[in-house]
Amino acid sequence: EPEVTQTPSHQVTQMGQEVILRCVPISNHLYFYWYRQILGQKVEFLVSFYNNEISEKSEIFDDQFSVERPDGSNFTLKIRSTKLEDSAMYFCASSDLTGRGVLFFGSGTQLSVL
Amino acid sequence: EDQVTQSPEALRLQEGESSSLNCSYTVSGLRGLFWYRQDPGKGPEFLFTLYSAGEEKEKERLKATLTKKESFLHITAPKPEDSATYLCAVQFSARQLTFGSGTQLTVLP
Repeated sequence: EPEVTQTPSHQVTQMGQEVILRCVPISNHLYFYWYRQILGQKVEFLVSFYNNEISEKSEIFDDQFSVERPDGSNFTLKIRSTKLEDSAMYFCASSDLTGRGVLFFGSGTQLSVL
Repeated sequence: EDQVTQSPEALRLQEGESSSLNCSYTVSGLRGLFWYRQDPGKGPEFLFTLYSAGEEKEKERLKATLTKKESFLHITAPKPEDSATYLCAVQFSARQLTFGSGTQLTVLP
């Protein structure tokens, strides 16, 4: 069964460092997303991406964040200068055009900012 | 502001003891309501999607229903492997999901 793959599963970084989280969405999907979940809190929307551009973004997704689809398979989230409050589980998700918005999630990258 | 509220926060059941989880929402334009299951350290796993009041979906021991203001996830004769956090998410805008806090279900053998 096709699945969304995320790497790495865990990332530890120092405050102020740049991190790139990577995702391989399901191959025939055209919408891509990043969500995050701070420990003990709700899953929160960050950004959606379609046709090589951002289609929606939340207030959380400020200038420190960027997304990119560098090739035909990968989708990345970059945090330019990490803060302690960026520590969270980051989930990538994808959906197709016909699924009426059903999102399929990866297993996540646990980001710890020290 | 659009809101999604789940109750109870936690639920402990004996194996075979049926129950229901609730998801209520305030929304100005519902496009869809989704139920996901989340195991510890994992991403949400899709269960159901409902689009209109009166709609019902079933999968094994789970049944989801939708009214104009809330959705229920009914669990019939649960087993220990049904233990997980069940998340409700509502699609207000084109593709963005707004999640509730979840119900942590524990089924005891």
